[in-house]
Amino acid sequence: DAGITQSPRHKVTETGTPVTLRCHQTENHRYMYWYRQDPGHGLRLIHYSYGVKDTDKGEVSDGYSVSRSKTEDFLLTLESATSSQTSVYFCAISGRGGEGTGELFFGEGSRLTVL
Amino acid sequence: TQLLEQSPQFLSIQEGENLTVYCNSSSVFSSLQWYRQEPGEGPVLLVTVVTGGEVKKLKRLTFQFGDARKDSSLHITAAQPGDTGLYLCAGVRTGGYQKVTFGTGTKLQVIP
Repeated sequence: DAGITQSPRHKVTETGTPVTLRCHQTENHRYMYWYRQDPGHGLRLIHYSYGVKDTDKGEVSDGYSVSRSKTEDFLLTLESATSSQTSVYFCAISGRGGEGTGELFFGEGSRLTVL
Repeated sequence: TQLLEQSPQFLSIQEGENLTVYCNSSSVFSSLQWYRQEPGEGPVLLVTVVTGGEVKKLKRLTFQFGDARKDSSLHITAAQPGDTGLYLCAGVRTGGYQKVTFGTGTKLQVIP
């Protein structure tokens, strides 16, 4: 158990509303990631963080922003949710103590439905 | 652009059968990982292969990394219903941070 939790686990919202998903870790991992998982596409990287206040875009970052104000928390924000952002979102962590081999530990996922 | 292609996408077999899942790419990776995911949960790492040609065994699962570090395979011997799940390969590139790119996944169903 890598000590990673996501909240909320399920959310239904309407198009145009802002949504924030939270990822919290207790293991002092340096790297944190947000992925989305959709049928036929596997897991696609949205944004990642390599330290406090250090973030960068992944392959599907449009419409998403992130923030990491402390090591433990990585927030994913949808400024104005669209139906195409209906998905299951996974947070992942790696690099305990700053080191790492890219091996990821995942949270249980947050299922978001945008109506 | 999907850099890692997995085949087959779906596989339904009887308990006791053998199977192989393939993960192919045109890119070179510093290492390759295999994850298994069950419904409603996040993926869980099974193994990491690092050296070209490397073979790792995990009970009835055998993982191989291609000599050129572009492809990998997962072979399951005498599949059990407990092997049912989504299998994901993931290629790792180092440099700046560990960038992990996932394959499309193989959904395995083992029928008792």
